[in-house]
Amino acid sequence: QKEVEQNSGPLSVPEGAIASLNCTYSDRVSQSFFWYRQYSGKSPELIMSIYSNGDKEDGRFTAQLNKASQYVSLLIRDSQPSDSATYLCAVLDGAQKLVFGQGTRLTINP
Amino acid sequence: EPEVTQTPSHQVTQMGQEVILRCVPISNHLYFYWYRQILGQKVEFLVSFYNNEISEKSEIFDDQFSVERPDGSNFTLKIRSTKLEDSAMYFCAGTGIGANVLTFGAGSRLTVL
Repeated sequence: QKEVEQNSGPLSVPEGAIASLNCTYSDRVSQSFFWYRQYSGKSPELIMSIYSNGDKEDGRFTAQLNKASQYVSLLIRDSQPSDSATYLCAVLDGAQKLVFGQGTRLTINP
Repeated sequence: EPEVTQTPSHQVTQMGQEVILRCVPISNHLYFYWYRQILGQKVEFLVSFYNNEISEKSEIFDDQFSVERPDGSNFTLKIRSTKLEDSAMYFCAGTGIGANVLTFGAGSRLTVL
């Protein structure tokens, strides 16, 4: 059974601080990794994709991948109240389907 | 920007009734997926569909579920005899050839009473 594990939170971060979200996965053959943001009652919205070991930056977001440790993370710099949402880690498995973690609920406190 | 469109946005049905959820994928998408999310739980894979046939289905996708693409545009999920535990948000998603980023529709909320 392929698993994607996240701390469900809630994670509470003051406005302007860095929010750090973590994810581990079990399927060693996975090559594609994604972070989605989901607001309550809405569909997942892609924030970042990462395919190679190391860091990938896009604006205030940085995704980090370590395939040896089977670990993916997302950093959100200068956190804003609008960043309050559930963040879903997703891994593309060998059958080309996304396997999601349970999500981490993030709250940014003004 | 092209969107994946889902209808209805919300459907309330009685247990045992049949439900059809509809999705209009982005025109250049060739791979289609249905996911569901029970309130407060994770997004779960149901089925993938390519070249007019099911590519893979999960344990959740039992005989009460079916998918089809009847007219080359709409992609439907049918639940033959709904149960209380089918109450969930159902998301359609798609992706194109050589791409691995899924685009999700807004979802259809199904409430079974």
